[in-house]
Amino acid sequence: GQQLNQSPQSMFIQEGEDVSMNCTSSSIFNTWLWYKQDPGEGPVLLIALYKAGELTSNGRLTAQFGITRKDSFLNISASIPSDVGIYFCAGLYTGTASKLTFGTGTRLQVTL
Amino acid sequence: KAGVTQTPRYLIKTRGQQVTLSCSPISGHRSVSWYQQTPGQGLQFLFEYFSETQRNKGNFPGRFSGRQFSNSRSEMNVSTLELGDSALYLCASSSGTVKETQYFGPGTRLLVL
Repeated sequence: GQQLNQSPQSMFIQEGEDVSMNCTSSSIFNTWLWYKQDPGEGPVLLIALYKAGELTSNGRLTAQFGITRKDSFLNISASIPSDVGIYFCAGLYTGTASKLTFGTGTRLQVTL
Repeated sequence: KAGVTQTPRYLIKTRGQQVTLSCSPISGHRSVSWYQQTPGQGLQFLFEYFSETQRNKGNFPGRFSGRQFSNSRSEMNVSTLELGDSALYLCASSSGTVKETQYFGPGTRLLVL
């Protein structure tokens, strides 16, 4: 099945550092969503983006909907140990109803 | 509001058996989507139900089926289980409106032996 290109695949950073990850697609989307998943649990929604060029923040998280509608970026500022997990982007094109297409995931590990 | 609930959380089956998984969406949500997550393929869309009708379907064989009840609860059935069906099965609920956001349940971990 299709997966979006998400990079980096994994990151090992120190507490307090900023983190950036991105997601690209060959298709356009109307909605971009960013999720975090802890082991053995379902993805938890972090940020939703509905408009090209939109920049949205949720605490230390900031995400942007690319103007081409084919990419999105997630930044985490001043990382803390509980940021550890796998981050997924997901694209949604309303013409395909509720079918989310997910990225390959970015595994984030934070050290003290 | 209570979140999305899935039962059971863990399941062990043997090849050839069938299994039924259940999902209760967030109150008021009419859309339920199912996804399969495996290390090799990541998160893949199975199907979506809205108001008791299958509205969208992914590229999975006919052994995978589902249904939705009038209270929006949904079930997913896998018949003639194969080893490769071992995965985390996730359901997500949404309102089904234009500004759509999907909220996931904790998943059902299925192991096929």
